[in-house]
Amino acid sequence: QITLKESGPTLVKPTQTLTLTCTLSGFSLSTSGVGVGWIRQPPGKALEWLALIYWDNDKRYSPSLQSRLTITKDTSKNQVVLTMTNMDPVDTATYYCAHTFRSGGSVNYMDVWGKGTTVAVTS
Amino acid sequence: DIVMTQSPDSLAVSLGETATINCKSSQSILYSSNNENYLAWYQQKPGQPPQLLIYWASTRESGVPDRFSGSGSGTDFTLTISGLQAEDVAVYYCQQYYTTPYNFGQGTKLEIK
Repeated sequence: QITLKESGPTLVKPTQTLTLTCTLSGFSLSTSGVGVGWIRQPPGKALEWLALIYWDNDKRYSPSLQSRLTITKDTSKNQVVLTMTNMDPVDTATYYCAHTFRSGGSVNYMDVWGKGTTVAVTS
Repeated sequence: DIVMTQSPDSLAVSLGETATINCKSSQSILYSSNNENYLAWYQQKPGQPPQLLIYWASTRESGVPDRFSGSGSGTDFTLTISGLQAEDVAVYYCQQYYTTPYNFGQGTKLEIK
């Protein structure tokens, strides 16, 4: 059974760097085709796609946030880490990670999501 | 970027009736080499993460009731919920995975009339 669990601080101050960890279970990022994405959702608002990393270290970022985002993987710990610099109150949101995969060269949908972790940005 | 626009923003439907949610992409998300539409639908209930309902525009995810169906191609897509049940109250999102950023629609809130 595939599960993902997000973890990180619940509170960060403006200008600080946010580091979120997604711990994977039931699958491995060393397996061909596997990917993990990050998505966020401000309170009462829509989902926003942030970034994605595949087993072969192929990385994709939202152009609007690319300068602030870094996604990495630690295969030995079966974790994916997302860092976001220069945090602002508008970055207050629930942050989700989700499983995806690439097959036959084609990207795919996100089929299993973590429960999310809520981050508030306030001084 | 591909912009995804859903309509309506909210709707109220009576139990047992049919709910229809539309999603329009700003450019075609039909990949000609495999004739697949790179479109997914998600359901999000209050306090829960999104749950995948439909992918490739019309393929139902395992375990999803068959009252949920997806249709459309190119730029225009529809999620249909037949025989609405109380547990279907949620916000529904479409998402394109044709090209990054894999944008979502703004969401459609479904309530019981």
